[in-house]
Amino acid sequence: QLQLQESGPGLVKPSQTLSLTCIVSGGAITSGSYYWTWIRQHPGKGLEWIGYIHQNGNTFYNASLRSRLAISMDTSKNHFYLNLTSVTAADTAVYFCARVGAANGLKFFQPWGQGSLVTVSS
Amino acid sequence: VLTQSPDFQSVTPKEKVTITCRASQNVGSNLHWYQQKSGQAPKVLIKYVSQPFSGVPSRFSGSGSGTDFTLTINSLEPEDAATYYCHQSSSFPLTFGGGTKVEIK
Repeated sequence: QLQLQESGPGLVKPSQTLSLTCIVSGGAITSGSYYWTWIRQHPGKGLEWIGYIHQNGNTFYNASLRSRLAISMDTSKNHFYLNLTSVTAADTAVYFCARVGAANGLKFFQPWGQGSLVTVSS
Repeated sequence: VLTQSPDFQSVTPKEKVTITCRASQNVGSNLHWYQQKSGQAPKVLIKYVSQPFSGVPSRFSGSGSGTDFTLTINSLEPEDAATYYCHQSSSFPLTFGGGTKVEIK
């Protein structure tokens, strides 16, 4: 059964780079046709799609974050990554990784990681 | 933009719950519903408007088309206390509704 788990520092200083890893287990990141996704949830708020990467390396980003965002993957490790530069307190959130299908009929997020709280503070 | 209503609902067990999601533009059938319990990641309940995801209890159902969608929980159970989100996969950016918190009285 496919499982995803976020990993990374829980505290990042303002103006620095937020870096998270999503560790995928129970299936190959290159298997099938899927997008590997980052979503965040500000404290007590709703869900915001950050962006995703296809196994062929194509990326799609939320325009609101595009200038600061990079999503990448390492197929040899079965991991994918989030890098968000020049962070501020507004980037404090729980960050989730998830999978979404590329094909019609599969374009919903499932499964999800358990989430990783990242706080931006000096 | 996806607009959910109500924001909050306090409901007695065995009551029926109806949550609506209105899209600012036609999303076709690319509308999905998620359940998020406190401290957990969301889980998909209903995909493509009305298709229950594997293992989802039959009391959960979805309907609608185009811009107006509904999630219905028939005969609410105590374990259904959660926040429910709609999500559209029709166009970028992918978006979620603001959420509806369902509390058990």
